[in-house]
Amino acid sequence: KAGVTQTPRYLIKTRGQQVTLSCSPISGHRSVSWYQQTPGQGLQFLFEYFSETQRNKGNFPGRFSGRQFSNSRSEMNVSTLELGDSALYLCASSPGDREGSPLHFGNGTRLTVT
Amino acid sequence: AQSVTQPDIHITVSEGASLELRCNYSYGATPYLFWYVQSPGQGLQLLLKYFSGDTLVQGIKGFEAEFKRSQSSFNLRKPSVHWSDAAEYFCAGTEYSGGGADGLTFGKGTHLIIQP
Repeated sequence: KAGVTQTPRYLIKTRGQQVTLSCSPISGHRSVSWYQQTPGQGLQFLFEYFSETQRNKGNFPGRFSGRQFSNSRSEMNVSTLELGDSALYLCASSPGDREGSPLHFGNGTRLTVT
Repeated sequence: AQSVTQPDIHITVSEGASLELRCNYSYGATPYLFWYVQSPGQGLQLLLKYFSGDTLVQGIKGFEAEFKRSQSSFNLRKPSVHWSDAAEYFCAGTEYSGGGADGLTFGKGTHLIIQP
C-alpha cells in the first residue's frame, strides 16, 4: 500500500503571498490531519478533515485553511504568508472511524518564507 | 489542559546499551498514547501505541513502552540500541471525543545520540 504522499517537498515563498500544499492519504483512509512543525513550537495540530468536512481544529489563525475532496485528498492553504509560517508541514491520514487509530504521516512539505 | 511532556531534550547512549526515554502526560481520562520516531528530513513513523489493556506494549524495531497510570507516564524502552536508532523521538497523546480523535498533542521531542 502506498503511504501518505505530500507535494511539493520544498517550497519557497515571499511574505504576503499565499501557498497551497497537497496531501494524498493512504488508500481507504478517510481522515486527513495537518500539523505544523517548527524548532520553537514543535509539532502543532492544525486541523482534521473527515469525509470532506472539517471535524477538528487547532489554535491557528484563519489564514490557515484546508479542504478535502471526495477522493479524500486534502489541500492546505496559507494566505498572506508571514516569516513565522516557515515550517515543516506534515499531513497524516487514518481510517478516521475507529477509536484511537494511529496516524500515518507523510514526509512533509518544507515551506520557507522570505 | 491536555499536555505531553518529554523532560529530556537530548540523550546520549552507547551502542549496545539500554535506553529509556521519558514521557509524562496530563489528561482527564485515560488517553490514547503513542511514540513516534523522526529521522532527519523525514515524516513521523509510529513505533507503538497504547489504548487500554496490557500496560506493557510492544512496538516495532525492538521498542516497548510501559503505561503507568499512577505516575502518568508512558516511557519508551529498548534493551540494546543500534546506531540506526539515532533520531528524534516524540511522545503523543489524544482523547477520543466520539466525533473523531482530537488532534494529537506532541511532546517537544527527545534527540537520541548514539555513541560508538
